[in-house]
Order: sequence, then structure tokens, then C-alpha cells
Amino acid sequence: ILNVEQSPQSLHVQEGDSTNFTCSFPSSNFYALHWYRWETAKSPEALFVMTLNGDEKKKGRISATLNTKEGYSYLYIKGSQPEDSATYLCAFHTGNQFYFGTGTSLTVIP
Amino acid sequence: GAVVSQHPSRVICKSGTSVKIECRSLDFQATTMFWYRQFPKQSLMLMATSNEGSKATYEQGVEKDKFLINHASLTLSTLTVTSAHPEDSSFYICSARIGGAGGWATQYFGPGTRLLVL
Repeated sequence: ILNVEQSPQSLHVQEGDSTNFTCSFPSSNFYALHWYRWETAKSPEALFVMTLNGDEKKKGRISATLNTKEGYSYLYIKGSQPEDSATYLCAFHTGNQFYFGTGTSLTVIP
Repeated sequence: GAVVSQHPSRVICKSGTSVKIECRSLDFQATTMFWYRQFPKQSLMLMATSNEGSKATYEQGVEKDKFLINHASLTLSTLTVTSAHPEDSSFYICSARIGGAGGWATQYFGPGTRLLVL
């Protein structure tokens, strides 16, 4: 079982604050890194798929970077809004299987 | 697009009974679906890969006779927890893959099923 770690486990931010969290994964057997946004009682929603070292992806106020050599990815949220409250999951893809982190639970306080 | 439904969303059953969970791809065909289980404060753990028209592939430590998977059509996979016991209580979630097995392939998830075995 590969170890994928996310930090912090949870955080609370004020509306309008920017925030970021980390996904750490093995630097070998890398195929792709996926980010998902998971709201309570809903399906996880795919945010980004990142495959190349140095990749940067952006979707509205959310962006992500990837460093495959050191084994980490950052997810950034600029100007957090209450609707950003969710659990953010990363998944390390070896080409054969996905290995998920435990997620970062974000609460944005109005 | 790429919507996956899962039914039921939660189920409570008595120990010894069997429970069937359905996973459907609503607007696309899925030759491959995945079943995951999540215990509290832990990550999603792959249980098995469900392939349309063939036998499922189970991960190490997952009992295939206990967790029966059927993928009879391109839009439906079912997971049956046979003779459920309290230790089977967990959150079960399915996904369907679009884009083959390449690194850019994305999994689309159902909303999950919360199983409680009394």
C-alpha cells in the first residue's frame, strides 16, 4: 500500500482568505495526480488531473501545482467563499491503481 | 455529463442478511467500474475492479465470496455484501473510469452508500 498524505487534516478560514493545502506522495511509479472536491452527501467531483512535473492547473479561484521529483502537490484557493467548504481529496495514480489521501476538510466561515 | 448514481444512499440491516448496492453510469457507458470502502478517518481503499462481461478483480485481503460483484451491462455494476456482519459497516463508494487506463483518465464517483449492520 502506497502512502499518500494530505495536510492539514482540516482547517477553518474566513470568507475572503486565501488558503492552500498539500498532498504528498511517493516520487517513484508516478503516472498522474488527481484532485477531487467532495461535498457532504454528494459525489466527489474531479478538479484536476496532473501528469507532468511542474504542471500548473487553474479552474476559477482554484489552482494546483505539481512536483513529481519531490513528491508533492499544492492546491490553492484564492478568496475563499462559503461554497468552497468541502473535503479536498488527492489521488496518486500509478497507472494501475489510485491511492487516495484522507483528505483536507475545509470550512469557510462567512 | 459523466454522472454516476448509487443506490441506496444508506442502509441498515440485521447481521446475517445480504445487502445489494447498485452503481449506474447515467450518461455514458463504463466498461470498468471500481468499488471502494472507507472506514472513519481513513482514505478510500480499493476493494475490487469490476469489468463488464467478465469476473471482477479483487484486491488482496478482500473476500470475493463475501463481496459479490456483478457487472452485467455497460451502465450497471452491483456489489452484494453477503451475510453482513457489524464489521462490514462502512461507507462504500463506486466509480467509473472514462478515458481508458492512461494517466489522464478520470474516475467519476457515485455519492456512496452508508451501510450499518446491527
